[in-house]
Amino acid sequence: AQSVAQPEDQVNVAEGNPLTVKCTYSVSGNPYLFWYVQYPNRGLQFLLKYITGDNLVKGSYGFEAEFNKSQTSFHLKKPSALVSDSALYFCAVRDGPAGNTPLVFGKGTRLSVIA
Amino acid sequence: GAVVSQHPSWVICKSGTSVKIECRSLDFQATTMFWYRQFPKQSLMLMATSNEGSKATYEQGVEKDKFLINHASLTLSTLTVTSAHPEDSSFYICSAVLGGGYTFGSGTRLTVV
Repeated sequence: AQSVAQPEDQVNVAEGNPLTVKCTYSVSGNPYLFWYVQYPNRGLQFLLKYITGDNLVKGSYGFEAEFNKSQTSFHLKKPSALVSDSALYFCAVRDGPAGNTPLVFGKGTRLSVIA
Repeated sequence: GAVVSQHPSWVICKSGTSVKIECRSLDFQATTMFWYRQFPKQSLMLMATSNEGSKATYEQGVEKDKFLINHASLTLSTLTVTSAHPEDSSFYICSAVLGGGYTFGSGTRLTVV
């Protein structure tokens, strides 16, 4: 069974500094990896995904993530954080290409960007 | 882009009553819809998978008689919380498969008093 670990409950970063939100995964087959952001009482907004190809994936709002197969990681990064990036971030995985398979989510990491 | 419209966005109901949450795919056909539940400051937990025209598949520990899921058309899936109790208070989110990814409803905050 697949699983996702987000080891940090909270990440604090100063505005303008780079940010990293960590994610590691476990699947039996090929991982399909996703990052979503959630604002209070809202649904999830898609940031980026890794299916295949380049290990560095660029997504929405200046975010990017690097797929590292040997470390089974998919950390989310942004070179310069904004206060408006403060939100709850979820890493999710699907085991393989089957489209009708649900995502399995990590517990989420709350990002706080301080002005 | 493709949107899943989820209603209501919030609802308060009395203990013992039933509440229906709707998710509509607005410009695409959603043959599969996933229903998640999210407790405060926690992750999304999959409750069930619904496929159009067939019975939903429930995750272990989810009461199928309490959380009724109907997916009667390719554009509408509903979750009915029957005989709601305060412990059912939560944030419920639907998700549809779309292309190589997923699109999510905006969520429903259910409070049972």
